[in-house]
Amino acid sequence: AQSVTQPDIHITVSEGASLELRCNYSYGATPYLFWYVQSPGQGLQLLLKYFSGDTLVQGIKGFEAEFKRSQSSFNLRKPSVHWSDAAEYFCAVGAQSGGGADGLTFGKGTHLIIQP
Amino acid sequence: DTGVSQDPRHKITKRGQNVTFRCDPISEHNRLYWYRQTLGQGPEFLTYFQNEAQLEKSRLLSDRFSAERPKGSFSTLEIQRTEQGDSAMYLCASSYDRDRSSYEQYFGPGTRLTVT
Repeated sequence: AQSVTQPDIHITVSEGASLELRCNYSYGATPYLFWYVQSPGQGLQLLLKYFSGDTLVQGIKGFEAEFKRSQSSFNLRKPSVHWSDAAEYFCAVGAQSGGGADGLTFGKGTHLIIQP
Repeated sequence: DTGVSQDPRHKITKRGQNVTFRCDPISEHNRLYWYRQTLGQGPEFLTYFQNEAQLEKSRLLSDRFSAERPKGSFSTLEIQRTEQGDSAMYLCASSYDRDRSSYEQYFGPGTRLTVT
């Protein structure tokens, strides 16, 4: 069975500083990997995804993530955070099934706090 | 495209009552997923449909839960004899599995259930 670990429950970053959110996954084959963001009262929004190919993927809002198979990691990065980035961030892993995607397995999330 | 919609957004019910939630996916999406999210946790997969066929059910989906997607469009999730442990946010997502680039799941705003 697949699993996702987000080791940091809370992270506090100063506005303008760089950010890295950690994600480790467990899955037997090549996974589909995703990062979602959830703001208070909002639904989950997809930031970026990895299916195959280039291991550095670019997403929306200036985020990027790097897939490292040897470390089973898919860490999310942003060079300079904005106060509007404060939210809950979820890493998720999915498997291919019958030409489509199975249900995703999510980590428990990392709560990002931005200090002025 | 109006995105994934869910109704109602909030539901308060007494223990032992039955509740039903509705999800309308993005119009051309043939896959529809249900997840449950409790406070401080990531979403947990419950079940998913490809068109009208229910392809997978999580062990989290007890016998009191039933989901349908009769015409391959909207879906309903019913919980019978609700328990306090059912209190959670119920999320719906949809995707279109035409090719791997379309495996992204788009989430609705969720239905928050409170069982008193």
